[in-house]
Amino acid sequence: GQNIDQPTEMTATEGAIVQINCTYQTSGFNGLFWYQQHAGEAPTFLSYNVLDGLEEKGRFSSFLSRSKGYSYLLLKELQMKDSASYLCAVFLSGGYQKVTFGTGTKLQVIP
Amino acid sequence: DGGITQSPKYLFRKEGQNVTLSCEQNLNHDAMYWYRQDPGQGLRLIYYSQIVNDFQKGDIAEGYSVSREKKESFPLTVTSAQKNPTAFYLCASRKSTGKEGYTFGSGTRLTVV
Repeated sequence: GQNIDQPTEMTATEGAIVQINCTYQTSGFNGLFWYQQHAGEAPTFLSYNVLDGLEEKGRFSSFLSRSKGYSYLLLKELQMKDSASYLCAVFLSGGYQKVTFGTGTKLQVIP
Repeated sequence: DGGITQSPKYLFRKEGQNVTLSCEQNLNHDAMYWYRQDPGQGLRLIYYSQIVNDFQKGDIAEGYSVSREKKESFPLTVTSAQKNPTAFYLCASRKSTGKEGYTFGSGTRLTVV
């Protein structure tokens, strides 16, 4: 089976930095996605990591360690609009392209 | 602008009825997916399709059916066999290659009354 773990909820202060962790145990691995989802809306793509290391994109960075089955999403200079759920998703290897999602981390940014 | 369109946004169904959720994309993406989202459970894969006239069951396919007669369209039918259909349904598409993630539609919220 596939198992992806993330913290259920986190709270952070506006202007601060927050790190959202994701650990996974899956049968096969092609890459790892991070998505942002505001309440009642569709998820939007943030990042995709295939190789180990850190990828930076503006205020958002994503890290992957394949040997540890571990990733994190780093959000800097937090803004109130960053309050949302953040979904970790693994792109599984195999003949058919299949992505399995974690349950998401609900981030609340407070003033 | 290219995108993926789901309709309707809200749908009410009586018990025992079948309903069909529409999903259309003009992104020229090969792969299309249907997910169901329940509170606290994340996204669960219902069906997916990599090419026209081919689709595969996901993790929770029971009570659902799909078709892929055109590259642009991937409708999902929620049948009366689905015991707990009330949920938020998301359609997504993706290129077959490259690092691009999914593009999601805006979702359909289905409620059984």
